[in-house]
Amino acid sequence: QKEVEQNSGPLSVPEGAIASLNCTYSDRGSQSFFWYRQYSGKSPELIMSIYSNGDKEDGRFTAQLNKASQYVSLLIRDSQPSDSATYLCAASGAGSYQLTFGKGTKLSVIP
Amino acid sequence: DAEITQSPRHKITETGRQVTLACHQTWNHNNMFWYRQDLGHGLRLIHYSYGVQDTNKGEVSDGYSVSRSNTEDLPLTLESAASSQTSVYFCASSGGQGNTDTQYFGPGTRLTVL
Repeated sequence: QKEVEQNSGPLSVPEGAIASLNCTYSDRGSQSFFWYRQYSGKSPELIMSIYSNGDKEDGRFTAQLNKASQYVSLLIRDSQPSDSATYLCAASGAGSYQLTFGKGTKLSVIP
Repeated sequence: DAEITQSPRHKITETGRQVTLACHQTWNHNNMFWYRQDLGHGLRLIHYSYGVQDTNKGEVSDGYSVSRSNTEDLPLTLESAASSQTSVYFCASSGGQGNTDTQYFGPGTRLTVL
């Protein structure tokens, strides 16, 4: 059974701080990893994808991947109240277009 | 602009009725997916398709069926709706050039089975 695990939170950070969201996955064959943001009552929205070990930066967001530890993280710098949402981590299966999603971490950014 | 749409956005039905949820994408993506999202369970895959005439069962396929007669559409049918199928349903697609496994989601359908 392929699993993606996330801390459900809620994770509360003050405005302007760095929010750190973490995710582990069980399938060593996973090749692609994704972070989605989901506002309450809305559909998941892609933030970032990462395929190689190391860091990938996009604006205030940095995704980190460590395949040896089967660990993916998302850092949000200068957190804003508008970042308050549930963040979903997803991993693809080996040779598959299917994604396995974690249950999500709820982030609250306090003004 | 290319997009993925779902209809209806809200549906209330009775136990035992057949219900069909529509999903339409204009990205020309080969891959389409149906998920349900429930509190405490996250997103769970119901069915998926990698192309016309191709359909596959996901993690929670019992009581659901899909058909793929063209690239753009993957309707989801609940053969005989049950209260346990009350949920939010999301359709997604993937298969764009260079990002074949990146999934993009529709707005969702909230289904209530009374």
